[in-house]
Amino acid sequence: AQTVTQSQPEMSVQEAETVTLSCTYDTSENNYYLFWYKQPPSRQMILVIRQEAYKQQNATENRFSVNFQKAAKSFSLKISDSQLGDTAMYFCAFISNTGNQFYFGTGTSLTVIP
Amino acid sequence: EPEVTQTPSHQVTQMGQEVILRCVPISNHLYFYWYRQILGQKVEFLVSFYNNEISEKSEIFDDQFSVERPDGSNFTLKIRSTKLEDSAMYFCASSIGTDSYEQYFGPGTRLTVT
Repeated sequence: AQTVTQSQPEMSVQEAETVTLSCTYDTSENNYYLFWYKQPPSRQMILVIRQEAYKQQNATENRFSVNFQKAAKSFSLKISDSQLGDTAMYFCAFISNTGNQFYFGTGTSLTVIP
Repeated sequence: EPEVTQTPSHQVTQMGQEVILRCVPISNHLYFYWYRQILGQKVEFLVSFYNNEISEKSEIFDDQFSVERPDGSNFTLKIRSTKLEDSAMYFCASSIGTDSYEQYFGPGTRLTVT
């Protein structure tokens, strides 16, 4: 069974600073995908970044980057130059390439302070 | 950019009543999903649907739940006899195919069972 753990229920960061959100997962699969989704107060989940497990290079998407440590089963999200619009709930998610359901973590509520 | 849409945004119903939640997936997507998020908890997978049949379902998705694609555009989730514990946000998602693991989420329907 797959599990995803986010150990930080709430975090805050000053505007323009950098923050890292943690995620660990457990799986016996070798090929899978990891995602970070953002859920602003408007509630629609938006994809932030995705990482294929077979790629060693960490994914980067503008101010968002990940630190993917496959052996440690760790997948953290770094947000640089935090903006007020980054305030949201962030979910880490896992999907194997043999299944078609996402497994989500419990989320981290991030507040960017002006 | 194409989006997944859901109606209604908020549904209030009495315990024991039937509800139908509606979703319009992105038009060229072939896989459809329902997820549930009880307030303050993680997003949980309910069911996936492909080629007019259920491809995977969780243990949450019992006989009280059913899904249907009644026409070429809508994807519905029916709860036959609602219980208080069915109160949650219900998210529809769609993806283009199994070689693209990115799922696009709708804004959700908040179901309140009284």
